Formats: sequence, C-alpha cells, structure tokens
Amino acid sequence: KNEVEQSPQNLTAQEGEFITINCSYSVGISALHWLQQHPGGGIVSLFMLSSGKKKHGRLIATINIQEKHSSLHITASHPRDSAVYICAVVNSGGSNYKLTFGKGTLLTVNP
Amino acid sequence: ETGVTQSPTHLIKTRGQQVTLRCSSQSGHNTVSWYQQALGQGPQFIFQYYREEENGRGNFPPRFSGLQFPNYSSELNVNALELDDSALYLCASSLKEVSYEQYFGPGTRLTVT
Repeated sequence: KNEVEQSPQNLTAQEGEFITINCSYSVGISALHWLQQHPGGGIVSLFMLSSGKKKHGRLIATINIQEKHSSLHITASHPRDSAVYICAVVNSGGSNYKLTFGKGTLLTVNP
Repeated sequence: ETGVTQSPTHLIKTRGQQVTLRCSSQSGHNTVSWYQQALGQGPQFIFQYYREEENGRGNFPPRFSGLQFPNYSSELNVNALELDDSALYLCASSLKEVSYEQYFGPGTRLTVT
C-alpha cells in the first residue's frame, strides 16, 4: 500500500462544476503539498499546509491531521484547470524534508 | 529572483550510456532535491543535497549519483543507463532552515533506447 493515496485517479467535469480531490496518507507528516502538473511536466505548488484550511482564488485545501486526510476543492471549474493534481507529504522525523507523492489525479474540465 | 531551471529539456540516450542532468536552484536556496517521475506515476525521491553534502537518499541504485556546487546548483549523474530509466527528472530547490516549501524546475525528459 502506498504511503499516499489519491482519489479519484481520473475525473471529468463540466465547466462550472465543484470539484473535490482527496488524499489520504499513512505516515506522520510535517506538512502536505498540493501540486499542479500540466502536460509537458512542469510542477507548480498550489498549497502547503500543516493544519486547517487555505484558500487561493477558486482553490481551497483542507487537512485533517487526526484522520490523515486532505482535500483539494476547485469551485466554478474551468477548462484551464485541466491538469494532473498531485498530493505530496513531508514525512516527519526526517532531516531532509523529502516529499512522498501520490500518483496524481488527472482532471479534465470540458467546456 | 530567478526560478529553478534545468537542462537539457529533452535527452535521448542509448542503453549503457551515461548522462548528466543539471539544475540551477532558486536564488538564495541551499537545498536541491531530485525526483524521478515515470510515465503515469507520481515522482519518486532520488536524493537531496544540502550545502554540498548528500542529505538523504531514496531507493535508487548507486549508479544514480549527484553533486552540489558552492553556488548550490546541482547535477544528477546516471551511469549504465537502462530502459527503465526513461522518465521525467525533476529537481526542486528549497531553503531548508526556513520552510518545507519546494520550488520545482520544468524537468528533463530522458528517453533511453
């Protein structure tokens, strides 16, 4: 079992829909990242959080440390949101802050 | 402030050859982490360099080696290339003493034939 599991693997939505991507992890963490990767490879950090909730524009990320679960929400989705969304955790207890990644969720938003 | 850059963008090598990939960290960052991303998978941690010393290594064989220079730029070297080494190689820089935040470069796409 992977240390970081994401669901769903693939998600297709119509423009304007509310989207939720889930991430569960099985290890102790210091922080959790939500990342966006477009075709071609470049990764952009959307959020880093260790508790509670963060909001940036139409994106909202929440984390429940006790339940070892995080969600990424996109409100009023748009075709330009189409990308792979990746959850990654910083394992606690290590000195190198390495990231352990989920496999990603491929989001396609149709006009 | 310049972002993280990587070179080359794309590379095609033959099995058995050696390759060197380069990463320039974001200005002010002293830590570089390297990740391998196979097609359809999440990235996997290869190793991290902090102030020119290796600071942690993932489950990769010794033919994956690295280096960090005094200006904190970094190289990833892979010897005796295998077909399974075909992947996107990502580097990420950070300022270890300040934050867990990592800033990613655009990646190098390596194809081994």
